[in-house]
Amino acid sequence: KNEVEQSPQNLTAQEGEFITINCSYSVGISALHWLQQHPGGGIVSLFMLSSGKKKHGRLIATINIQEKHSSLHITASHPRDSAVYICAVSPRTDKLIFGTGTRLQVFP
Amino acid sequence: NAGVTQTPKFQVLKTGQSMTLQCAQDMNHNSMYWYRQDPGMGLRLIYYSASEGTTDKGEVPNGYNVSRLNKREFSLRLESAAPSQTSVYFCASSEITVNQPQHFGDGTRLSIL
Repeated sequence: KNEVEQSPQNLTAQEGEFITINCSYSVGISALHWLQQHPGGGIVSLFMLSSGKKKHGRLIATINIQEKHSSLHITASHPRDSAVYICAVSPRTDKLIFGTGTRLQVFP
Repeated sequence: NAGVTQTPKFQVLKTGQSMTLQCAQDMNHNSMYWYRQDPGMGLRLIYYSASEGTTDKGEVPNGYNVSRLNKREFSLRLESAAPSQTSVYFCASSEITVNQPQHFGDGTRLSIL
């Protein structure tokens, strides 16, 4: 069993829909990261959080440490949000453990 | 803002050939990383350098060597390329190794024939 599990693996949405991507992990962590990988391949860090909620524009990330679960929400989705979204955790050692990603396609 | 720069972007090698992937960052970060990304798998750490002058193995180091040339540059070398090393390679950097966001390069797509 992978230490970081994301769901769904693939997600298709219509423009304007509210999107939720989930991440569950099985190890103790000090922080959780959400990253975005563009269709061209580049990877960008979106959030790093260790408790509660963070918001940036239309993106919201939440984490529940007790339940070992995080969600990434996208409000009013747009075709430019089409990307692979990757969850990664920082266990209490120093190396990140990555999920396999959720591929999101948003159609006009 | 250059951030993390990787070269080359694409490379095709024959089995047994050697090559070095270059990575440089201009953010004065202490820590640098090399990952590989394969279909259906998460990013996997090959080697990392917590600070200038140190390197450590990650999850999948076999067949690779690294050099932290200075604070800016961290190179990855394949001494004798194998088809199993066909992958997309990403370099990343962060201020320190713990609880810091990592900044990624654009990746190198490497094919070994």
